[in-house]
Amino acid sequence: NAGVTQTPKFRVLKTGQSMTLLCAQDMNHEYMYWYRQDPGMGLRLIHYSVGEGTTAKGEVPDGYNVSRLKKQNFLLGLESAAPSQTSVYFCASSYSRQGGYNEQFFGPGTRLTVL
Amino acid sequence: RKEVEQDPGPFNVPEGATVAFNCTYSNSASQSFFWYRQDCRKEPKLLMSVYSSGNEDGRFTAQLNRASQYISLLIRDSKLSDSATYLCVVNETPGGSYIPTFGRGTSLIVHP
Repeated sequence: NAGVTQTPKFRVLKTGQSMTLLCAQDMNHEYMYWYRQDPGMGLRLIHYSVGEGTTAKGEVPDGYNVSRLKKQNFLLGLESAAPSQTSVYFCASSYSRQGGYNEQFFGPGTRLTVL
Repeated sequence: RKEVEQDPGPFNVPEGATVAFNCTYSNSASQSFFWYRQDCRKEPKLLMSVYSSGNEDGRFTAQLNRASQYISLLIRDSKLSDSATYLCVVNETPGGSYIPTFGRGTSLIVHP
């Protein structure tokens, strides 16, 4: 099993360009998440999904859109990139467990620079 | 304001030392609690879940204090390989889903 994979691993964009980050998981997890991690800020939740066809906003959703058309994939889109979106982006997935003790499995991250 | 607070450190300790981290959370309705470990430029990985009864895994012990709204992580007999950032995670349940909030992490450096 590959676990959680992210594409691409690195990307440099110019301000105003658009791109899509792809996250795929092969563990049949219901929940999927997109985070960004900036120095000194920890991981902040951008959007999440509790099942195929559903998405919801997290802590920092502005400037991003997501889609979950298939259970195994969760896409993060930047319509018009800004330098403030320079960050490391992590995708994660988890089961939905009674009591909330659901371990998250993370992808290796995408390092995005917006010039 | 971050709802999950951690001392960023770094905690600089010699091999063999015992070190403890705390993490406070603001939402008394929080449901579940975790410690994750993150190595430099790598993804976070689950270290331990933190249950009401506390739990221990080898040199690592985690405790939950609901009354005071904090969780703790104790590492005994520190190894060089324990050097990493330790992330506290708290799950809340808006609308029935379990949504995680991460602390900013505590950096641990174990030196010879």
